[in-house]
Amino acid sequence: DIQMTQSPSTLSASVGDRVTITCRASQSISSWLAWYQQGAGKAPKLLIYKASTLESGVPSRFSGSGSGTEFTLTISSLQPDDFATYYCQHYTSFFWTFGQGTKVEIK
Amino acid sequence: EVQLVQSGAEVKKSGESLKISCKGSGYSFTNYWIAWVRQMPGKGLEWMGIIYPGDSNTRYSPSFQGQVTLSADRSISTAYLHWNSLKASDTALYYCARQMSRDGYNPFDYWGQGTLVTVSS
Repeated sequence: DIQMTQSPSTLSASVGDRVTITCRASQSISSWLAWYQQGAGKAPKLLIYKASTLESGVPSRFSGSGSGTEFTLTISSLQPDDFATYYCQHYTSFFWTFGQGTKVEIK
Repeated sequence: EVQLVQSGAEVKKSGESLKISCKGSGYSFTNYWIAWVRQMPGKGLEWMGIIYPGDSNTRYSPSFQGQVTLSADRSISTAYLHWNSLKASDTALYYCARQMSRDGYNPFDYWGQGTLVTVSS
């Protein structure tokens, strides 16, 4: 099975910072990757799919890039609502697997 | 507005059965796959299985095959997750989520609010 590994596990940052989270796949997954945000006590929210397509309604400060085995989620200027846990997810035919998550906390 | 509304929190004992629900509205329920995702306390997200309410076609993650059963009642736009015999290790928050599109490879675009299941031994 394909494994997804995120780094770092925890990231401390301040409002206004540029933040980058990395997700690596154990083998090539083309661009079949999504990013989710999960606020404390909330359900996950889809941010990006197909590695770089912004979901409707998601602020443009979020962006995704990468293909193959290495992917990044970038938040260009961190806002108070962005302190949350972020998950990458690989999806294919009847198989979905998540990274272990990256918690973005206040510095 | 697309919504997935899940049933309320449950407290059960080991060995008991349980069925939790997820009611869809604001879209054609029979035309989108519904997935279930587990989140154990303080942990990450795990895909459990997925069902197509249009014909009840179901696929399970190997990790959950035989441990749970998915079903759907399209007449009331509701999907279910069922356990025959709960274990303490089933204690978790369970989410239902809609696959973005019926065909092809897709992530989950709408999520329910989650159902907390607590199982005591």
